[in-house]
Amino acid sequence: SQQGEEDPQALSIQEGENATMNCSYKTSINNLQWYRQNSGRGLVHLILIRSNEREKHSGRLRVTLDTSKKSSSLLITASRAADTASYFCATEETSGSRLTFGEGTQLTVNP
Amino acid sequence: SAVISQKPSRDICQRGTSLTIQCQVDSQVTMMFWYRQQPGQSLTLIATANQGSEATYESGFVIDKFPISRPNLTFSTLTVSNMSPEDSSIYLCSVDGGSANEKLLFGSGTQLSVL
Repeated sequence: SQQGEEDPQALSIQEGENATMNCSYKTSINNLQWYRQNSGRGLVHLILIRSNEREKHSGRLRVTLDTSKKSSSLLITASRAADTASYFCATEETSGSRLTFGEGTQLTVNP
Repeated sequence: SAVISQKPSRDICQRGTSLTIQCQVDSQVTMMFWYRQQPGQSLTLIATANQGSEATYESGFVIDKFPISRPNLTFSTLTVSNMSPEDSSIYLCSVDGGSANEKLLFGSGTQLSVL
């Protein structure tokens, strides 16, 4: 079964608006990470939140983690056209297996 | 953090042929990983390339189809053998970015199309 499921699958917003993407997972985790992928290229690590953390900030990014609901959200504030990309969550399970990636959210920010 | 060079960046290949993808890291790393991303899909781990030993393959992937070399701590290759159109995907090389599994660093990917 899919460990990381993201919604929405696609999101289109106007520049300046906030974008929120959600990720749900099924098993116990050590940490959850968010990555960005531009046009089918390599992924870039954005932010990591550990299982004992509830919220983390990095620039315009805000990540929350609710381990009781097994869910996380990524908020991008004041979006820019350059934020257009696919965003993936990835979980490191407590079983020690490799990172498992979610299905991704395609974000389009219109100028 | 490490810089990863992956090549080729894209290729169009004929059915039945093989393609070898190279991944070079500018520093020594213990483990290197190969992922596949099928069109519109997420990433799936193919195998972990271990220096000095055989690669460790994930369920659904076999050495005959995806042979991997890891001759030293900075270099690895993935070969996609006897290709079919179903192998059309992006193939990504990755390394641990710090403490084990804390984050991954990725190469720029190889976009493979099989006709």
